[in-house]
Amino acid sequence: AQKVTQAQTEISVVEKEDVTLDCVYETRDTTYYLFWYKQPPSGELVFLIRRNSFDEQNEISGRYSWNFQKSTSSFNFTITASLVVDSAVYFCALSEPHRDDKIIFGKGTRLHILP
Amino acid sequence: DAGITQSPRHKVTETGTPVTLRCHQTENHRYMYWYRQDPGHGLRLIHYSYGVKDTDKGEVSDGYSVSRSKTEDFLLTLESATSSQTSVYFCAIMNSYEQYFGPGTRLTVT
Repeated sequence: AQKVTQAQTEISVVEKEDVTLDCVYETRDTTYYLFWYKQPPSGELVFLIRRNSFDEQNEISGRYSWNFQKSTSSFNFTITASLVVDSAVYFCALSEPHRDDKIIFGKGTRLHILP
Repeated sequence: DAGITQSPRHKVTETGTPVTLRCHQTENHRYMYWYRQDPGHGLRLIHYSYGVKDTDKGEVSDGYSVSRSKTEDFLLTLESATSSQTSVYFCAIMNSYEQYFGPGTRLTVT
């Protein structure tokens, strides 16, 4: 069965610190996609990244980086030199293409960046 | 911007009344989804559609029905609203294995 676990319910860090958000997933399929979304206080859901199961290369986009490790079924998200505007709820998610691309979300991690 | 709109954006209704939420997309995407978001639960899939008149249930479909008579519109209906259906409802489309969301509808059932 599909499952996404974000064990960290809430995290607070001081601005300019680095922070890592953990995501562990479960799937029986060999082909799947992993995602991260951001939900700022305004409420919209913003797509950040998609990674497919055949690509274990880490990705960096500015201050954001993602570490995908199939051996531990993890897809962790790191923000370097955090800013107050990074404060949001972050969701990790999983989809399996043969299941009509239904996306299963983790329960989210609320990140507070303190000035 | 994936061209997704939701209406209404906010609604207050009474227990037992029917409610219909509309999701409209402008880019001809085949797959559309309805989620609800509640504190402590993240986003949970209610129903989804893989084409006109083709729909299926998600994990929390009880008390909800959907219809898709046109590619661009996906309607979510609460036949008889209950207080447990107070939530924020998000519509989404799938584009190249990436899901994009509408702005959400905040529904309060009193």
